[in-house]
Amino acid sequence: DGGITQSPKYLFRKEGQNVTLSCEQNLNHDAMYWYRQDPGQGLRLIYYSQIVNDFQKGDIAEGYSVSREKKESFPLTVTSAQKNPTAFYLCASSLTRQGTEQYFGPGTRLTVT
Amino acid sequence: GEDVEQSLFLSVREGDSSVINCTYTDSSSTYLYWYKQEPGAGLQLLTYIFSNMDMKQDQRLTVLLNKKDKHLSLRIADTQTGDSAIYFCAEITQGNTGRRALTFGSGTRLQVQP
Repeated sequence: DGGITQSPKYLFRKEGQNVTLSCEQNLNHDAMYWYRQDPGQGLRLIYYSQIVNDFQKGDIAEGYSVSREKKESFPLTVTSAQKNPTAFYLCASSLTRQGTEQYFGPGTRLTVT
Repeated sequence: GEDVEQSLFLSVREGDSSVINCTYTDSSSTYLYWYKQEPGAGLQLLTYIFSNMDMKQDQRLTVLLNKKDKHLSLRIADTQTGDSAIYFCAEITQGNTGRRALTFGSGTRLQVQP
């Protein structure tokens, strides 16, 4: 089965704790992305990576960190510095670095109280 | 700056056609997309159109692009209850650093009444 997996589907954390969201793809895609979705809004880009061991900030990178040590994996850490972490987080990947066709995982809903 | 706008809500009857509209501001957009999101799920890429095209048809879906007016539409023929979802318009833009990222509209909720 090829695709993009995100785990867990639901995540609950206390304020002040860091939390890491998993994103794995077995599509052999070069580029991977993290987006955040808030209720009633479109998606906003947090970080993206076009190649292993390289990543770039998106529009709302503050309070987040990523790594890309393997082609198939792009974990996102939500740090305690992120002021409003409760949101739906979506990971995507695209075959090429140009990002022309981006395919999304099922998402992780993070709730911080 | 980049901006993509959509109307928030559309209600149609089963069997009718649905037309979801979108406007964008970045004239350098090379591709424009339609994604579908069902409740609690990720986004499904429905279709996309290259900016030098004005129409693309894929089964029940027809995409129309008016580049002069920066207007994109998605027509769903013979709309079914399973088409009820949020539909996002998106464009791909290239920043100064060479990044290519999707910019999304806020989504149009399509409600299909039996």
